[in-house]
Amino acid sequence: AQKVTQAQTEISVVEKEDVTLDCVYETRDTTYYLFWYKQPPSGELVFLIRRNSFDEQNEISGRYSWNFQKSTSSFNFTITASQVVDSAVYFCALREDTGFQKLVFGTGTRLLVSP
Amino acid sequence: NAGVTQTPKFRVLKTGQSMTLLCAQDMNHEYMYWYRQDPGMGLRLIHYSVGEGTTAKGEVPDGYNVSRLKKQNFLLGLESAAPSQTSVYFCASSYGLGRGGTEAFFGQGTRLTVV
Repeated sequence: AQKVTQAQTEISVVEKEDVTLDCVYETRDTTYYLFWYKQPPSGELVFLIRRNSFDEQNEISGRYSWNFQKSTSSFNFTITASQVVDSAVYFCALREDTGFQKLVFGTGTRLLVSP
Repeated sequence: NAGVTQTPKFRVLKTGQSMTLLCAQDMNHEYMYWYRQDPGMGLRLIHYSVGEGTTAKGEVPDGYNVSRLKKQNFLLGLESAAPSQTSVYFCASSYGLGRGGTEAFFGQGTRLTVV
């Protein structure tokens, strides 16, 4: 069955610290997509990145980077030099390429960045 | 271009009342989803649709019904509201993975309180 686990419920850091948010997924499909979304205090859901199962290249976008490892079924998200504006809930999600292509989310990790 | 629009944004219901939440998208997406967000539970999939006239159950479908009579609209119904349905509801839409595997776009959410 399709499942996403975000074991870290809440993380608190001080500004400029690096922080990694963990995401572990389960799927029987060979083709699937992984996503990260950000939910700031205002409540909207903001798409950050998409990665398909055939592309294990790590990606960097400014202070954000993502480490996809199929061997450990993980898709971790690192924020370098965190800022107060990074405070949000971050969700990892999985979409399989079979059946009805259900999109399933993890329970989220709340990141608190203090000045 | 409005994206995904949810109506209403806020609602208070009495136990036993019924209501319908409307989700409209203008991106010609095939897939549409309804999620509920509760503290500590992340985003849980209620129902979703793979196209006009076709719907499927998600993780927490009990107490809800859906309809997709037009491609751009996805309705979520509560026939007899219960306090356990107090939540924030999000609608999302996306293309099918065969069209490039895109992320889902989210509405702004509906905060529903059942008293």
